[in-house]
Amino acid sequence: LAKTTQPISMDSYEGQEVNITCSHNNIATNDYITWYQQFPSQGPRFIIQGYKTKVTNEVASLFIPADRKSSTLSLPRVSLSDTAVYYCLVGEVNSGYSTLTFGKGTMLLVSP
Amino acid sequence: EAEVAQSPRYKITEKSQAVAFWCDPISGHATLYWYRQILGQGPELLVQFQDESVVDDSQLPKDRFSAERLKGVDSTLKIQPAELGDSAMYLCASSPSAGRREQYFGPGTRLTVT
Repeated sequence: LAKTTQPISMDSYEGQEVNITCSHNNIATNDYITWYQQFPSQGPRFIIQGYKTKVTNEVASLFIPADRKSSTLSLPRVSLSDTAVYYCLVGEVNSGYSTLTFGKGTMLLVSP
Repeated sequence: EAEVAQSPRYKITEKSQAVAFWCDPISGHATLYWYRQILGQGPELLVQFQDESVVDDSQLPKDRFSAERLKGVDSTLKIQPAELGDSAMYLCASSPSAGRREQYFGPGTRLTVT
C-alpha cells in the first residue's frame, strides 16, 4: 500500500488560497489519489479524487504532476468553515475491494 | 440527501461488558465499511463488506470484535468484552460498490469504556 506524508498542520486566513501537498513516492500504477475532509465529531466527507494532471470541482482542485509522486489539494478563498482535518489517501478504486488507508491528515486552521 | 445512519451516537460502558453498534447504509449501497478512529488519528478500517460477505477483516481484533451484515443491508459491530483501549469513535461508511470513488460516512458512535 502506498504511504502518504502530509504536513501535520497549516494555518491560513479567510479569503486566502490554501494548498496542501501530499507526498506518495511509492504510488502504484493503478492507484488513485483521494482527499477527504473531516470536521470534529463528524465522519469524513469526500472532497475530490484524481489520477493525473488536474481535477476541479465546485469545492477544490487537485493537481497531480506527471510522476504522480505527490499531489496538491487547492482550496480557493477559504472561510472559517474550512477549518478541518484533510486526509490524502492513495489506493486502488477499481479493484474488488478498497485499499484506501487514512493517515493522520493535515489540520487546517483558518483565522479571521 | 440520503445519509448513513448510526446508533447510538454515544455509548458509555464498563470494561468487560458487551457493546454493539448499528449502521444503516445508504439504500442500494453494496459496500459497507466499519472504521475505528482514535482521537488525533485518522480512521482505521476494521472490516469491509460487499453485500453480505466480508471482503477484508484483516485489521479486526477477532478475539473480541465481530461484525455481521446478514441481509446485505444494515450491519452490526459488536465488542465483547470491551477494554479501556476500545474507547474511540466508530464510523460506518457505505459506497455503491467497492470500486467507486466516494465513501459516505455516518456520524459515528463515540464509545467510552470506563
